[in-house]
Parts: sequence; structure tokens; C-alpha cells
Amino acid sequence: QKEVEQNSGPLSVPEGAIASLNCTYSDRVSQSFFWYRQYSGKSPELIMSIYSNGDKEDGRFTAQLNKASQYVSLLIRDSQPSDSATYLCAVNDANSKLTFGKGITLSVRP
Amino acid sequence: EAGVVQSPRYKIIEKKQPVAFWCNPISGHNTLYWYRQNLGQGPELLIRYENEEAVDDSQLPKDRFSAERLKGVDSTLKIQPAELGDSAVYLCASSLAGWGRPNEKLFFGSGTQLSVL
Repeated sequence: QKEVEQNSGPLSVPEGAIASLNCTYSDRVSQSFFWYRQYSGKSPELIMSIYSNGDKEDGRFTAQLNKASQYVSLLIRDSQPSDSATYLCAVNDANSKLTFGKGITLSVRP
Repeated sequence: EAGVVQSPRYKIIEKKQPVAFWCNPISGHNTLYWYRQNLGQGPELLIRYENEEAVDDSQLPKDRFSAERLKGVDSTLKIQPAELGDSAVYLCASSLAGWGRPNEKLFFGSGTQLSVL
């Protein structure tokens, strides 16, 4: 059974701080990695994708991937109250089977 | 362009009753997914279609759940009979993903919140 672990949380940060969200995965041959944001009562929406080792930046969001350590993270700079949501890590294998972690709930305090 | 459309948005039924959910994917998306999301958990895959073929239904409880995707476009997920533990949000997603195309992104519908009483 392929696993995606998001064990830390819930996470609370003050407005303007950096929020760091972590995820590990068990399948060494995983191909692609995604972060979805899910507001309460809403469906998940894609915010970041990363496919190769290193960092990928998009505005205030940075995804980091380390395939050797089977670790992917999401950094949110200058956190805003509107960033308060559950963040889901998702991992795809070569057959496009997407497996989700249970999510980390982020709360940004004004 | 319309996104993934699901209906109904909410459904309340008594246990042992049947229920059905409908999904229309984004036009041109060959791959369609049904996920179930329990409160406080991430989505769990129930079934994945590539066109009209179910390529992964290993986590679909086949004694009571069934799904179809006739003509490779819209899809229906059915539960018969429903149990109390089936209360969850049922999410449909679509994508251009498939074998050898793992980088394609999934787009989710608004989901159906099922309550079984």
C-alpha cells in the first residue's frame, strides 16, 4: 500500500510569517507531486506541482522536493489569513494513480 | 469553459436506501476519478476510468458500490444499499492523465455530501 504521510499539524502561524508544511511518501518510483488547498466545505484546488528535485517557486508559494529522502514540502511566505485552509499533499505514480495524504490544517492568526 | 460538474450537491438518505451520484468531466479529459473523503481525512480513490475502461477499482467496495462511464464521458457512482459508514463527501475529478502521463493535473468537482441516517 503506497502511503503519503502528513503527520504534523494542525499548524498555527501569525500573519506575515512563513508556514512550512511537510510530507513524506513511501513509493520510491513516484513520478509527480502536488499540493492541493482545500477550504472548509469546498473541494481541493491545485496550488503547486513539482516533478524534479529542488525548489519551485510561484508567488508566495515554494515547493521543495527531495526524492532521495522521499520528502516534499510547501513553504508559504508572508502568510495571510486567507491562506487558512487544509493543505493536501498528493503523489502520482507512473500509472497516474494519485494518492493523497490526510492533510494539514493551517490557521493564520491576524 | 465549465469545470467538473457534479450533482446532487447534498443528499440525505436512510440506511439501506440506494443513492446515485453523477459527474460530467471537463470536455476532452479522458481520465475520470471518483474519490471519497471522510471528515478530517484526505480523498481516497474509489475508481479511476481511462475513457470508458475502469483501470483501477481495487478500492471500490464491490458488494454495494458500482460505477459506470458509458461512452467515456459522464459517469455515475451508485451505492446500494447505503450504510451509516458511507456518510462522506464523494468527489469526482477529471484529468488528461494516464499511463506515462503522471504530470497532468486533476481538477475536482464541488462534490456530493452524503448523509446516511
